[in-house]
Amino acid sequence: EDQVTQSPEALRLQEGESSSLNCSYTVSGLRGLFWYRQDPGKGPEFLFTLYSAGEEKEKERLKATLTKKESFLHITAPKPEDSATYLCAVQARNYGQNFVFGPGTRLSVLP
Amino acid sequence: DSGVTQTPKHLITATGQRVTLRCSPRSGDLSVYWYQQSLDQGLQFLIQYYNGEERAKGNILERFSAQQFPDLHSELNLSSLELGDSALYFCASSPWETANYGYTFGSGTRLTVV
Repeated sequence: EDQVTQSPEALRLQEGESSSLNCSYTVSGLRGLFWYRQDPGKGPEFLFTLYSAGEEKEKERLKATLTKKESFLHITAPKPEDSATYLCAVQARNYGQNFVFGPGTRLSVLP
Repeated sequence: DSGVTQTPKHLITATGQRVTLRCSPRSGDLSVYWYQQSLDQGLQFLIQYYNGEERAKGNILERFSAQQFPDLHSELNLSSLELGDSALYFCASSPWETANYGYTFGSGTRLTVV
């Protein structure tokens, strides 16, 4: 059965303390893996798309990487404004035009 | 502001009632997607429309229906509401029929069924 899981469920970091979030997936025919950021009470905001194993994308303090079974979102020297829930979503051959979203990692960065 | 507009922002209604949620996509976007987000289920895909036509269906209940109008705005109709329908309902849009480049989400409508 296709599945998308994220770990940890919640993460608390001190400002400047780098870490990584994990998204593991088991799908047939991955077409793309997407990372979104969601602030409380808001809609998810698109961050990255990764299409093939070995691909990396960067944006400010965030870097996303992809292997055949998982993706990592690395956060370097985070700031309090990076606090949010980070969602990954996969688009697979069997899903048509929709995504399957993971449950998210709730990140808190303390000053 | 993402450019995707959802109204109303909040809605409180009683069980058994019917409500309509409205979404205006970003200018130029032809695809509209509806998602439901509840605490225990995460983001669940409901339905997609492209240029007025239904393109994909997810876990949408028979009590729910949607349509996209000629001006490209979309409405999600929820009827015979149950307590379990309480959730955030998001609309997202994209320029293309395919979703290969991700979506832009609106800020959502929070539905509370009492």
